[in-house]
Amino acid sequence: GEDVEQSLFLSVREGDSSVINCTYTDSSSTYLYWYKQEPGAGLQLLTYIFSNMDMKQDQRLTVLLNKKDKHLSLRIADTQTGDSAIYFCAESLYSSASKIIFGSGTRLSIRP
Amino acid sequence: DAMVIQNPRYQVTQFGKPVTLSCSQTLNHNVMYWYQQKSSQAPKLLFHYYDKDFNNEADTPDNFQSRRPNTSFCFLDIRSPGLGDAAMYLCATSSARDSRPHWTQYFGPGTRLTVL
Repeated sequence: GEDVEQSLFLSVREGDSSVINCTYTDSSSTYLYWYKQEPGAGLQLLTYIFSNMDMKQDQRLTVLLNKKDKHLSLRIADTQTGDSAIYFCAESLYSSASKIIFGSGTRLSIRP
Repeated sequence: DAMVIQNPRYQVTQFGKPVTLSCSQTLNHNVMYWYQQKSSQAPKLLFHYYDKDFNNEADTPDNFQSRRPNTSFCFLDIRSPGLGDAAMYLCATSSARDSRPHWTQYFGPGTRLTVL
């Protein structure tokens, strides 16, 4: 079946790196996404990775994909207070390209 | 800038009083989605339109309906809101012609619905 799992909470010190992890079960994923949701707002697309890639870097963001273990991670370098949000991992499937499966979201909090 | 717009941002209704939420987009995307999101949970897909074709999720209650009069607009109608329908409602769009990955979903800011 289709399932995407994330840990619920992560707390990091300002200036440190944050690593948010995600596992998924369906090997027919085409793309994997990271969305950011700030309080009371919609979902903002942060980045994405095609399923045949293993790494993508975009400024402070690094996405790592381990297809063998079906594990996706998002690393945020030099975490700032503005990075406080819920981060959702999501996958789109070959079988149903117009729909995506969301993880439960990881709430990132920043300590001074 | 091309975007997804939702109105109103906050909606208060009474128990059982019909309410309509609206979504518009300037992206010219052919797919529009409605999600329900309760506090600290993942968005839950209610239904989506693929062009004019309506696709309901199996577990979406009959109380929720949708209309898409043209490419740009989509409405969510809640016929008889219950207290359990209080949530954030998110609209999203996607397209196979997107220059990013096909079918990447772009979200509006959401409408927070309160049921009294």
